[in-house]
Amino acid sequence: DAGVTQSPTHLIKTRGQQVTLRCSPKSGHDTVSWYQQALGQGPQFIFQYYEEEERQRGNFPDRFSGHQFPNYSSELNVNALLLGDSALYLCASSLGGWTETQYFGPGTRLLVL
Amino acid sequence: KQEVTQIPAALSVPEGENLVLNCSFTDSAIYNLQWFRQDPGKGLTSLLLIQSSQREQTSGRLNASLDKSSGRSTLYIAASQPGDSATYLCAVYNDYKLSFGAGTTVTVRA
Repeated sequence: DAGVTQSPTHLIKTRGQQVTLRCSPKSGHDTVSWYQQALGQGPQFIFQYYEEEERQRGNFPDRFSGHQFPNYSSELNVNALLLGDSALYLCASSLGGWTETQYFGPGTRLLVL
Repeated sequence: KQEVTQIPAALSVPEGENLVLNCSFTDSAIYNLQWFRQDPGKGLTSLLLIQSSQREQTSGRLNASLDKSSGRSTLYIAASQPGDSATYLCAVYNDYKLSFGAGTTVTVRA
């Protein structure tokens, strides 16, 4: 049984560019959440998708957007990249909502120059 | 707003010593609490999940306790080994998301 997978593993962009990160949830899981982890800090909640809709959103600007597809996979898009967007982006999946056990992927390391 | 604090921020112990990692949270209305391990540059590995109705959870050398009323959880690692060196994060489930502490970085000296 494959766990949560994320692509790409690493990414380098320049300021002002746009980036798309991808997440495939654990088999059968219908809820996907995204987190940003800056160096030396704990992960911060970006948003959560369930049934192809954004259900909850953390304190992140509109430059951060997402999508969930019918197969429950998800994308995180970040526009107009800033240096401060450099971080590890983590995807977590669960079955049946946010109160259920969250399983994390290996993350995508984004570096903005 | 949920605040999660982990003390100490860093810990260095000789091999064989028991580890005690602390986590405190401000809002006791949580569903679950989960402990994770993170190796440098890597993702999160789940260690233990304690449901709100439970007081503790054990797996091998790891034991985690939860006291919701006081807003505290403790992770015990028995007989530490150099391979236990990592950052340990606790996270609480409430308000539709996980709220994380900043972690405790553990170094076990051989």
